[in-house]
Amino acid sequence: DAGVTQSPTHLIKTRGQQVTLRCSPKSGHDTVSWYQQALGQGPQFIFQYYEEEERQRGNFPDRFSGHQFPNYSSELNVNALLLGDSALYLCASSPSYRVGSPLHFGNGTRLTVT
Amino acid sequence: GQSLEQPSEVTAVEGAIVQINCTYQTSGFYGLSWYQQHDGGAPTFLSYNALDGLEETGRFSSFLSRSDSYGYLLLQELQMKDSASYFCALNSGGYQKVTFGTGTKLQVIP
Repeated sequence: DAGVTQSPTHLIKTRGQQVTLRCSPKSGHDTVSWYQQALGQGPQFIFQYYEEEERQRGNFPDRFSGHQFPNYSSELNVNALLLGDSALYLCASSPSYRVGSPLHFGNGTRLTVT
Repeated sequence: GQSLEQPSEVTAVEGAIVQINCTYQTSGFYGLSWYQQHDGGAPTFLSYNALDGLEETGRFSSFLSRSDSYGYLLLQELQMKDSASYFCALNSGGYQKVTFGTGTKLQVIP
């Protein structure tokens, strides 16, 4: 049973460019959340997708957008990259039907903006 | 909004017991979770408290007091492999949004 998989593992982009990160949730999970984790900080909630719609959003600008596909996989897009967007981007999946169900995280995508 | 505060660093001796505290501010939530993250790794779930009181899972226990807006994670019989960052997190919202705290870096020394 594959867990949460993310691609790519590492990415280097230039300021102003656009990036797309991908996530496949754990089998049986239908909800995907994206987090940004700066070095030495806790994961910051970006947004959450369920039934192909954005359900909740954290305090991130519109440059951050996403998508969820019918197979529950998800993409995170970041436009007009800033140096401050350099971070580890984590995808987490969970089943929607259980209150308090654990988030299962992927190993993340390390994004470096130069 | 929501916020969670934790001590930034804790050091403890192998074999000892350590408690990591978490205070939070929120207008409403379902429960308090704890996650462990080793350097370079992904966060992994440890425990969840929906109700006040103590939840025990092996060497780990977690406590919640809603009236005090406070929780803690207790690690017993510390092992070197327990050296990691620990995050408390609030579960809230209709679709189980999870908001993480600032994290506590635990160093276990021989």
